[in-house]
Amino acid sequence: SQELEQSPQSLIVQEGKNLTINCTSSKTLYGLYWYKQKYGEGLIFLMMLQKGGEEKSHEKITAKLDEKKQQSSLHITASQPSHAGIYLCGAASNWGKLQFGAGTQVVVTP
Amino acid sequence: EAGVVQSPRYKIIEKKQPVAFWCNPISGHNTLYWYLQNLGQGPELLIRYENEEAVDDSQLPKDRFSAERLKGVDSTLKIQPAELGDSAVYLCASSLRTSGHNEQFFGPGTRLTVL
Repeated sequence: SQELEQSPQSLIVQEGKNLTINCTSSKTLYGLYWYKQKYGEGLIFLMMLQKGGEEKSHEKITAKLDEKKQQSSLHITASQPSHAGIYLCGAASNWGKLQFGAGTQVVVTP
Repeated sequence: EAGVVQSPRYKIIEKKQPVAFWCNPISGHNTLYWYLQNLGQGPELLIRYENEEAVDDSQLPKDRFSAERLKGVDSTLKIQPAELGDSAVYLCASSLRTSGHNEQFFGPGTRLTVL
């Protein structure tokens, strides 16, 4: 089965600073999803990447897919308290099954 | 538009007792998923339904877990009997279809504590 490794496991960032989360797959990535989860809540879809080199942005969050490296990164610019939570990457199989990483916990301090 | 609804949100039971979780997917979503999420880990798929048919239940511990989606809409996941190790969050998700890449919409989950 496909394994996803996320790094770092957790990070603390000062409000206004940038941060980057990485997601590395043990196998070829056919599609990569990024979700955000707050404690006690379900997963909220952020964005999906399908093609190598694809880059998507939404507000202050940018995600990229490096197909050759079997890796994706999620970058947050000028972090805000609302960015705090757990970020999960999920690799999609051809029929839509998602294999998730363990998540990266983000804490934003004043 | 209502999202994925799950109930109950929290459940505390003693070991060896039965427990059931209910999920109502987004209207029109044919595919329904049940995931298990342990603390500090990502969700793991238990079972996937296409309408009323369970098309992938390879990760479902069938000795104690069962699921149904009789009319192809809402679904129930049951554990009988529950064990201490079943304490986790049970997430339900739905999507329009499985082919290609489709966003999965998640419910808030049911947090199960087995004492």
